[in-house]
Amino acid sequence: KAGVTQTPRYLIKTRGQQVTLSCSPISGHRSVSWYQQTPGQGLQFLFEYFSETQRNKGNFPGRFSGRQFSNSRSEMNVSTLELGDSALYLCASSSGLAGTGEQYFGPGTRLTVT
Amino acid sequence: DQQVKQNSPSLSVQEGRISILNCDYTNSMFDYFLWYKKYPAEGPTFLISISSIKDKNEDGRFTVFLNKSAKHLSLHIVPSQPGDSAVYFCAARLSGGYQKVTFGTGTKLQVIP
Repeated sequence: KAGVTQTPRYLIKTRGQQVTLSCSPISGHRSVSWYQQTPGQGLQFLFEYFSETQRNKGNFPGRFSGRQFSNSRSEMNVSTLELGDSALYLCASSSGLAGTGEQYFGPGTRLTVT
Repeated sequence: DQQVKQNSPSLSVQEGRISILNCDYTNSMFDYFLWYKKYPAEGPTFLISISSIKDKNEDGRFTVFLNKSAKHLSLHIVPSQPGDSAVYFCAARLSGGYQKVTFGTGTKLQVIP
């Protein structure tokens, strides 16, 4: 099976711009979760989508949003970018809801905001 | 509020010796714990997990111990190998099953040949 893929792998944006990141889960997986990784903060949970519905949400401002399509692919959008949004954004998929077992992570998208 | 804490940002161990990575949590409602390993430029990969009804789970060189009264879990790697050098994340899930997974800040393990 192909693993979780994320595009793009690297991105440089300017403050105030918006960005859309994409994630394709493992075939057959219906749950996609998004995490932000920054030095010293570990993986901070953004949100989880299951069968096109947001099931859980982390403590991030409304500038962070996402969606899931009928083929389980997911996108994450960040509007009005801030310098502090520079991070590695990881997507993870699982066959059931994320809390029911292990997740499979993609390689991440490295976002740099200047 | 960091509910899952890995207080050691880094750890160095000689090849062949035991590596012990520690994790503390504050929420007694966590009922399932996982360890993930992350190499640079790759996403985390699942390593081992343990349910709160157990106090030990073993998989080859990796053993996870859970002390519920102390709200503490540890990952033991025996013997440590250079390929084990990576960042290790501890994660926990709230009871109920349909809850988000909370990750710790990670511990960078270096195994010295």
